[in-house]
Order: sequence, then structure tokens, then C-alpha cells
Amino acid sequence: RKEVEQDPGPFNVPEGATVAFNCTYSNSASQSFFWYRQDCRKEPKLLMSVYSSGNEDGRFTAQLNRASQYISLLIRDSKLSDSATYLCAVFNSGNTGKLIFGQGTTLQVKP
Amino acid sequence: DGGITQSPKYLFRKEGQNVTLSCEQNLNHDAMYWYRQDPGQGLRLIYYSQIVNDFQKGDIAEGYSVSREKKESFPLTVTSAQKNPTAFYLCASREGAGGELFFGEGSRLTVL
Repeated sequence: RKEVEQDPGPFNVPEGATVAFNCTYSNSASQSFFWYRQDCRKEPKLLMSVYSSGNEDGRFTAQLNRASQYISLLIRDSKLSDSATYLCAVFNSGNTGKLIFGQGTTLQVKP
Repeated sequence: DGGITQSPKYLFRKEGQNVTLSCEQNLNHDAMYWYRQDPGQGLRLIYYSQIVNDFQKGDIAEGYSVSREKKESFPLTVTSAQKNPTAFYLCASREGAGGELFFGEGSRLTVL
């Protein structure tokens, strides 16, 4: 089993739709969680950190479920510009500083 | 401006040649990382370093080597022992424990 798993998609949604991605992790000692956005042939850029209490930034909401060991990303009112690959990343300090990425979920927002 | 600089951006090499990818950061970050990304795939960790003069293997270290002689520099050598080196290589740094990673723009290596 991979340490961090995502559904690769692609998720094809119309503009204005709400879409949600999940990311599961296998190590219960994991402590820090992130969502990154990656555009085609570019480097990943931080979208959001994921806190235990959840956090929201405009149309984006991230949540953590420690009991079920997954994090989620919700995008409301999708825009064409949201089309990208979304990578989750899990940092396990008990694993000496490794930050592990999922394979990414591709989102395609269509007019 | 503070950031991470990777060079070269594009690199072509012949089979059997070693090549070194440069990564320099002026963010004063302690930890630095090298990831590899293949088309349609996520990032796989090659090596990482949490302090100067120390580094650890990631999940796919075979065929690669690194050094960390200075805090701001973490070069990656792709050796001839790496059987499938064509990929997008990303360097990143992190300030403290549990913090986010900041990435360079990447180096795209093609083996001819």
C-alpha cells in the first residue's frame, strides 16, 4: 500500500460546480498535511496547509480526518483557471523529515 | 528576491554520462529535498538533507548522489547507474519541522 494515495481522476466538471478530492495516508503518526497545485510542466505551489480544525481560503476548504486518516479539498464555484493537478503531501516527523506526495488528482473545469 | 534556483532548466545527455543538477536557495532554510516526477505521476523522493553535511536516502536513491557542503546548496548527480533518468527533477527547501516546501522551477533531463 502506498503511504499517500489519491484518485488520479481526471475529474471533469462544469464551471460553477463544487468538486471534492480526498487523499488517504497510511501512517497514523503523520503530523503535517498540505495541498499543492501543479500546472502542466511547472513546479508545485502550495495551495493550503491543512489544520486539525480545518481551514478555508475563499472558494477552497481543506479538512483533516485523523480517525479515518484522510485529508480533503473542496473547491466551490469552480473556475476554468482551477484546471490543474492537485497534490496532497504528508509530513511525518516520526519518519525523519520525509514529505511524501500523492500521485495527484487532475481537475479539468469546462465551460 | 528569496527563492530556489535550479539549473539547468533543460538538459540533454547521452547514455552512460553523469550529469549534475544544481539547486541553490537563499531562504536560509535548513532542509532541502530532491524529487523526481515522471509524466502523469506524483513526486518521488530521491534524497533529502536536514542539515549541512548530512543527508538521507529517499524512496528512489539508487543511481543518484548528493552533497550538502553548504546550507544554500544541494546538488544532485544523476549517474550512469540510473537506468531510466529521463524525468522532471524538482528541488525544494523547508524552513522548519513540519513546514511547507518551497520548490524551484525544476530541471527537465532527457537522455538520448
